[in-house]
Amino acid sequence: KNQVEQSPQSLIILEGKNCTLQCNYTVSPFSNLRWYKQDTGRGPVSLTIMTFSENTKSNGRYTATLDADTKQSSLHITASQLSDSASYICVVSDRGSTLGRLYFGRGTQLTVWP
Amino acid sequence: EADIYQTPRYLVIGTGKKITLECSQTMGHDKMYWYQQDPGMELHLIHYSYGVNSTEKGDLSSESTVSRIRTEHFPLTLESARPSHTSQYLCASSEYGVYSGNTIYFGEGSWLTVV
Repeated sequence: KNQVEQSPQSLIILEGKNCTLQCNYTVSPFSNLRWYKQDTGRGPVSLTIMTFSENTKSNGRYTATLDADTKQSSLHITASQLSDSASYICVVSDRGSTLGRLYFGRGTQLTVWP
Repeated sequence: EADIYQTPRYLVIGTGKKITLECSQTMGHDKMYWYQQDPGMELHLIHYSYGVNSTEKGDLSSESTVSRIRTEHFPLTLESARPSHTSQYLCASSEYGVYSGNTIYFGEGSWLTVV
C-alpha cells in the first residue's frame, strides 16, 4: 500500500534554532517528492520538488534531502523564525497513471516560540 | 505568488441547501484538482480535470459534482449539503501532470460548515 508517514507529528522550537522534519514513503513507482508549507486556514505553498536523481534542494532557509534507496526525505529549517510556524506536508507522486497520483502525509505541525 | 482563487473562503449553510464553491486560475493550466482536508488530516483528491469538458472522480468518494466549461474555471457543487460535508475544500492547478515534477499551485481553500 502506498503511504507517506511524517514525523514528528508536532514540534516546538525556539526562534533562531534549527530543526529537521522527517518523511518516509512506500510509494512505487516513485516520480517525485514535494514539501509544502501550510499556514493555518490557508492553502499549501510549495517549498521544494525533488525527482529521483536529486538528493538535495534548497529554498532559502529550507533544505530538503532525498534518499530514494531508503525512501526517506527530510526538511531542514535553519535559523527558524516565528513565521515558520505552520504545518509542513510531504507529498510523493507516483508515475503509475496518465497524470500521476499524489500521496499526502498528515504533516508536521511546527510551532516557533519567541 | 499563485494566481488561483477560491470563493467563498468561509461558509455556513443549513442541511439540504445547494452550494457551489468557485475556483478560478489565471495561469492557463489545463490540469485542475479539488481536494478535501479535515483538520490535522491529509488531503484527499475528490475530483480532477485534464482540460475543458474533461472531469474525473478522485480517490475519495464524494457526493459533489464538478464541471469544466472554461480552462480557468472549475466549480464544485453540492446539491444537498449534509453535516458530513463539513470540511476544507482546496482547489489546485498545474501545467502538466503531477508526475512531471512541475509546481502544483493551491488556492487558499474554502471552509464549509453544514449545520
